[in-house]
Amino acid sequence: ELKVEQNPLFLSMQEGKNYTIYCNYSTTSDRLYWYRQDPGKSLESLFVLLSNGAVKQEGRLMASLDTKARLSTLHITAAVHDLSATYFCAVLVSVKVIFGPGTSLSVIP
Amino acid sequence: DTAVSQTPKYLVTQMGNDKSIKCEQNLGHDTMYWYKQDSKKFLKIMFSYNNKELIINETVPNRFSPKSPDKAHLNLHINSLELGDSAVYFCASSHLRFRALEQYFGPGTRLTVT
Repeated sequence: ELKVEQNPLFLSMQEGKNYTIYCNYSTTSDRLYWYRQDPGKSLESLFVLLSNGAVKQEGRLMASLDTKARLSTLHITAAVHDLSATYFCAVLVSVKVIFGPGTSLSVIP
Repeated sequence: DTAVSQTPKYLVTQMGNDKSIKCEQNLGHDTMYWYKQDSKKFLKIMFSYNNKELIINETVPNRFSPKSPDKAHLNLHINSLELGDSAVYFCASSHLRFRALEQYFGPGTRLTVT
């Protein structure tokens, strides 16, 4: 059974600092997704990574995918308070998208 | 012009009741999903329909029954509600034929069973 793990599960970081969230998965897949969820809100798609070596950037967030290592990273550069949210990675297996447990990010002044 | 909409947004009901949640998408997608998000924010796929055909049917109690009258609508009916059914239920849609299979989520329905 596919397992999707995220590390860390909770992250408190200071504004202006950099950090990386890791997403590991246990079976072959070449499609990985990152979503953001604000408290009490729905999920918003951030990135879709479709192939090995894919790298995408949007503002202070950059996501990458290494399908051989079954690893994706979400790198945060110079964090700001507005980035506080829960970040989910998700992996496609056949027609099913399996979500990781989420990383709850809190950016503090 | 909401892409994926759900009704109701909040649902408070007593144990043993039967309730339905409705979902509609206007994105022209051919696949729709139901997810359950528990109190720890863990998201679990429940069902998926592609062009009105059930393609994902996870291990959920048979008190839960999805229905897709057409590819723009997917409803979830829950019989004999239990306390453990309390959660946020998200509907999502995507286009199975497109390589990305990116999913778009509705606003969620917060179900509270008392």
